[in-house]
Parts: sequence; C-alpha cells; structure tokens
Amino acid sequence: EVQLVESGGGSFQVGESVRLSCATSGLAFSTFWMHWIRQAPGKGLVFVSRISTDGTVTNYADSVRGRFVISRDNARNTLYLQMNNLRADDSGVYYCGQVGYWGQGTRVTVSS
Amino acid sequence: SYELTQPPSVSVSPGQTARITCSGDALPKKYAHWFQQKSGQAPVLVIQEDTKRPSTIPARFSGSSSGTVATLIISGAQVEDEADYYCYSTDSTDSLWVFGGGTKLTVL
Repeated sequence: EVQLVESGGGSFQVGESVRLSCATSGLAFSTFWMHWIRQAPGKGLVFVSRISTDGTVTNYADSVRGRFVISRDNARNTLYLQMNNLRADDSGVYYCGQVGYWGQGTRVTVSS
Repeated sequence: SYELTQPPSVSVSPGQTARITCSGDALPKKYAHWFQQKSGQAPVLVIQEDTKRPSTIPARFSGSSSGTVATLIISGAQVEDEADYYCYSTDSTDSLWVFGGGTKLTVL
C-alpha cells in the first residue's frame, strides 16, 4: 500500500521558518519526480514546487521562489520543503505527492 | 506565467454525462491530469496523462484531449461524484506546473 505522510505543520509568525517532511512507503520513491502543492482555506489547489528524481532539478512557483527550498533523501524515501520568511498568504494545507499519489496534508497557519 | 482555464461550475442530473473542460496553450504537447477533491479531503487522481484511468477509479470516468482543450467526462454521473475537479499540467518548458481554477460539479 502506498502511503505519504506529511508532517511539520503548525502555527507560525510572519518571517519565521519551518521545514515540512513527507515520509513515503510502498512507492518507488527514487524513480518519481515529487511535488508539493497547497490549498488555502476555501481556495483551489496551487503548485508550490517540484523536484527531479535525483534532486538536481527543482521548480518553484513565482510566489515562493527564493524563500522555499525543496529537497529529498532517496535513502530515507522522504521529501522536504524548507519554508523561510513565511508570509500570511503561505497559510494552507500542504500536500506532497507525485501525480498518482498524494498525502493527507499538513496545515500551516502563518499570522502576524 | 501559464494558465489553465476551467468553468467554475457544471451541473447535471443523476445518470447524465458531465463534461468538464480545461483549456491551456501547451495542452497540445503536454498531458493533463485530473483530480477529484471532496470537501475536507485530499485530492484523488481520476485521470492521468489525458486518458488513463487508475484501476481504483470507476469506469464512468474518462478523459480526452484535442488541441488546447482537455476534457474530463463522467458518463452517468452519480450523486457521489459531486466534488471539485481540477486539471493539472505544465507549461511548454516543463518548469511551471499549474492547476486549473477548479470546477464544482453538482449532481442533482
């Protein structure tokens, strides 16, 4: 059974940093490009970032480029998202996944 | 920037066919993926790479793509298919992924 479990969410202040993790199992993790997406309360899904199988290629949404860093540890089957200089509009549920499988999400709330 | 355009809402009666479109300039060369999201739940893939249906998804779900428009088709829509549906694809450079704005499907 494929499982993706996000963690690291919580309540933060504007300007703080947090690292989200996504632990996977039952998935050939090292063979997939992995994505982070997010959903603000009452809003639609939004792409955040993507990383290649070996971690050498990364893509970011304009709104997070320069503040967020995506990375992966293929030995641990785990994906990460380092979120720096948090803003209020970074609030939402963050999901990790590859196209076919997604986790249940972790909620990030940023307040001033 | 790159955009995928979906209608905000689609409404059908039970048993009718629902069609949800997704328009984007890169779709002639890039696949569209479709997700279903029910209230408070994580998104679920219903169609991958324009037309491929995961084995866990009912056969009434199908997809097509022609030119700049990808279409999710639900043949014989059921009340339990009520949800938000999103298309997901990338621009021509494969560096910017985007979701469509989402379509709320009502079946009643």
